[in-house]
Amino acid sequence: AQKVTQAQTEISVVEKEDVTLDCVYETRDTTYYLFWYKQPPSGELVFLIRRNSFDEQNEISGRYSWNFQKSTSSFNFTITASQVVDSAVYFCALLRNYQLIWGAGTKLIIKP
Amino acid sequence: EAGVAQSPRYKIIEKRQSVAFWCNPISGHATLYWYQQILGQGPKLLIQFQNNGVVDDSQLPKDRFSAERLKGVDSTLKIQPAKLEDSAVYLCASSRDLGSGASTDTQYFGPGTRLTVL
Repeated sequence: AQKVTQAQTEISVVEKEDVTLDCVYETRDTTYYLFWYKQPPSGELVFLIRRNSFDEQNEISGRYSWNFQKSTSSFNFTITASQVVDSAVYFCALLRNYQLIWGAGTKLIIKP
Repeated sequence: EAGVAQSPRYKIIEKRQSVAFWCNPISGHATLYWYQQILGQGPKLLIQFQNNGVVDDSQLPKDRFSAERLKGVDSTLKIQPAKLEDSAVYLCASSRDLGSGASTDTQYFGPGTRLTVL
């Protein structure tokens, strides 16, 4: 079965704290693609990152970093020095056969 | 590069009325998707087009929903008649996917249309 689990329903931190959003996936495929999207209150889904299953290098983009570990089927997302503008719902998704399989999302609240 | 455009942004209708949403994908993107997102949930794929052909509409409630992409560019999603449970955000996405077969390119989303059915 293909499945994405985001166990954290809601996380609340104070601005400037670091925060990690967890994503665990299940798939029997050897080739697959993982994504993170951000959905701010405006509603638009904003693409953040795409990772291929054969590329386990971690990625850093400014304050954002992603840790992909095939051994634990996890693709976690860390925001360093969080800011109020980071407040949003974050979705992890698995692409298989052109369909995105979505996690339930984690609502991140950054308090000033 | 312009993103995915959608209109209207908001729509309020009475149940049993009809409504239509419009989407214009990113220029050059062959594949277009319509999703339904109910509050608190992840998006659910309704229909996928590659150029002007339907790739997957298995989750589209065909008794009331219809979609078309006649010239392989913009698309319209229609609901007729609407039910209370259709209240949701309708998201359009597009991806490059110029070849045939399974799409693996990144999907880029529009701002969505928030539908309220009273």
